[in-house]
Amino acid sequence: SQTIHQWPATLVQPVGSPLSLECTVEGTSNPNLYWYRQAAGRGLQLLFYSVGIGQISSEVPQNLSASRPQDRQFILSSKKLLLSDSGFYLCAWRGTAGNTIYFGEGSWLTVV
Amino acid sequence: EDQVTQSPEALRLQEGESSSLNCSYTVSGLRGLFWYRQDPGKGPEFLFTLYSAGEEKEKERLKATLTKKESFLHITAPKPEDSATYLCAVQAADAGGTSYGKLTFGQGTILTVHP
Repeated sequence: SQTIHQWPATLVQPVGSPLSLECTVEGTSNPNLYWYRQAAGRGLQLLFYSVGIGQISSEVPQNLSASRPQDRQFILSSKKLLLSDSGFYLCAWRGTAGNTIYFGEGSWLTVV
Repeated sequence: EDQVTQSPEALRLQEGESSSLNCSYTVSGLRGLFWYRQDPGKGPEFLFTLYSAGEEKEKERLKATLTKKESFLHITAPKPEDSATYLCAVQAADAGGTSYGKLTFGQGTILTVHP
């Protein structure tokens, strides 16, 4: 069966520090991968998606970037965090055979 | 631009008191309408996908229905463990007719079921 792992689960970072959130999917090949952000525990906003290794599409202008160095690995990064980057970040995937998108457990980021 | 509006924002029910959550949407080329359940501090858990008007799907006490403009999530005889935030999302075809699976979410309905 397919599983998605996302880490770290929580982190507190000072303003201006770098960020790296990692996500891996197991049990599938060539998935579509996504990073979403959820503010104030409500609706999700799509940040990035990837349909293959090295292929990244950005949905909103921001202080963040994404990379996909391997087929089932997706990384969310920042060189210098802003207070406004605080939030709940969710990695998700969709298989090639289906239409459903499945989410990881999320990473809580607090920028102080 | 695709839009999803959920109502009410919050709903408080007594155990056993059935009700419905609403999801209104505007989208060009609907590929699918999704319902997710989200517990506090957790990632959304997939519930249903609906593809065309008139379609219905059920899972335990939940039943999702779809029209051309909205979807309803009916909760029959809810229990306290049904308390969660319920999220609705739409997936549209991209300009080239393909779909990369991108979802547009509503703000969610916070459901609280009291024993």
